[in-house]
Amino acid sequence: ELKVEQNPLFLSMQEGKNYTIYCNYSTTSDRLYWYRQDPGKSLESLFVLLSNGAVKQEGRLMASLDTKARLSTLHITAAVHDLSATYFCAVDIMEYGNKLVFGAGTILRVKS
Amino acid sequence: GAVVSQHPSRVICKSGTSVKIECRSLDFQATTMFWYRQFPKQSLMLMATSNEGSKATYEQGVEKDKFLINHASLTLSTLTVTSAHPEDSSFYICSVAGLKSVGNTIYFGEGSWLTVV
Repeated sequence: ELKVEQNPLFLSMQEGKNYTIYCNYSTTSDRLYWYRQDPGKSLESLFVLLSNGAVKQEGRLMASLDTKARLSTLHITAAVHDLSATYFCAVDIMEYGNKLVFGAGTILRVKS
Repeated sequence: GAVVSQHPSRVICKSGTSVKIECRSLDFQATTMFWYRQFPKQSLMLMATSNEGSKATYEQGVEKDKFLINHASLTLSTLTVTSAHPEDSSFYICSVAGLKSVGNTIYFGEGSWLTVV
């Protein structure tokens, strides 16, 4: 059974600080996704990581993928209040028909 | 602009009635769509895979007779919650797998809040 574990589940940080969210998965993955969800809203796609060593950056967020360790990270640089949201990683595996299995989510609160 | 459109965004229904949620792929044809459910403060759980022209594939523990899925065209899948009960109140989200040409990503609809009273 494919499992996706995220940590931490809750993160409270001051503006201007850096932090990393971790996503571990239990079996070989074809693709790894990061999504943002604001309260009451659907998911916003942040990154799609396709191969080992992939690194993508958008603004203050940077995602990386290590397929050998089955680990992805979402790094937040110099956090600002607008980044407050819930962040999900999800894994896509072809043998499961390209269904997504989600991590539990990380609630991020950036304090001014 | 939106790639996947869901309707309605919010619906309140009485216990015992049925409610239909639509998911439309706006930018490309989708032979496969996915339906997820999200309870408050929880993650998304896949309910079923909707296949155009054939029966949906349901995840373990999801009642196929209660959650009816119809994928009649390449751009529309519907989820009907039959004989709804308060415990069915949740956020229902559909998704569509994008083409390689648009980055391999998976697009989500805006979601539909269902409240059963």
